[in-house]
Amino acid sequence: NAGVTQTPKFRILKIGQSMTLQCTQDMNHNYMYWYRQDPGMGLKLIYYSVGAGITDKGEVPNGYNVSRSTTEDFPLRLELAAPSQTSVYFCASTRTGGKSGANVLTFGAGSRLTVL
Amino acid sequence: QQQVKQSPQSLIVQKGGISIINCAYENTAFDYFPWYQQFPGKGPALLIAIRPDVSEKKEGRFTISFNKSAKQFSLHIMDSQPGDSATYFCAASSKARLAGNQFYFGTGTSLTVIP
Repeated sequence: NAGVTQTPKFRILKIGQSMTLQCTQDMNHNYMYWYRQDPGMGLKLIYYSVGAGITDKGEVPNGYNVSRSTTEDFPLRLELAAPSQTSVYFCASTRTGGKSGANVLTFGAGSRLTVL
Repeated sequence: QQQVKQSPQSLIVQKGGISIINCAYENTAFDYFPWYQQFPGKGPALLIAIRPDVSEKKEGRFTISFNKSAKQFSLHIMDSQPGDSATYFCAASSKARLAGNQFYFGTGTSLTVIP
């Protein structure tokens, strides 16, 4: 059981380049999230998805796009990379519902992106 | 606008001491308050969580104290150990389905426990 797997772990981009951060989970979780983590700023939600085919913006969606064609995969696309997108990106997932309603976020190990 | 405010930003504690991290929120719709622990190079992992129907939850050396009227909650680490050195995030969420069950995180506290 791998949990949440993110690739790549590290990447350096030039300004204006594009790339996709991959995220896969094998826990059959319906909700998936992308966060960015910047020093002193905590975790900011970029996009989230409540199920295959459904995505929505979080707090900081500008410059990013997502898709959710399957339950397992939730890739994050960066178009026209900018230095402001230098950050550590975390994918997370959770299953909702259940008697308690408590939802535990399971995070991937992160992807460190540098835009020069 | 920061939905969950966390303090202090950094904390240094002697081994065996008590570490205390505080968080405050405004949205009364929040009904689940987890704490996440993050070691360098790793993703955050759930440490302990509380719902607003109780004022305290304890798991081993970790305790959450919750004050619903003040809209504040805190993490207490008793007998702090060097292995507790990590970044701690408080968070809040609502079960409201339309909100996508979003989690709002505090800005994090870097804890260093000195041997």
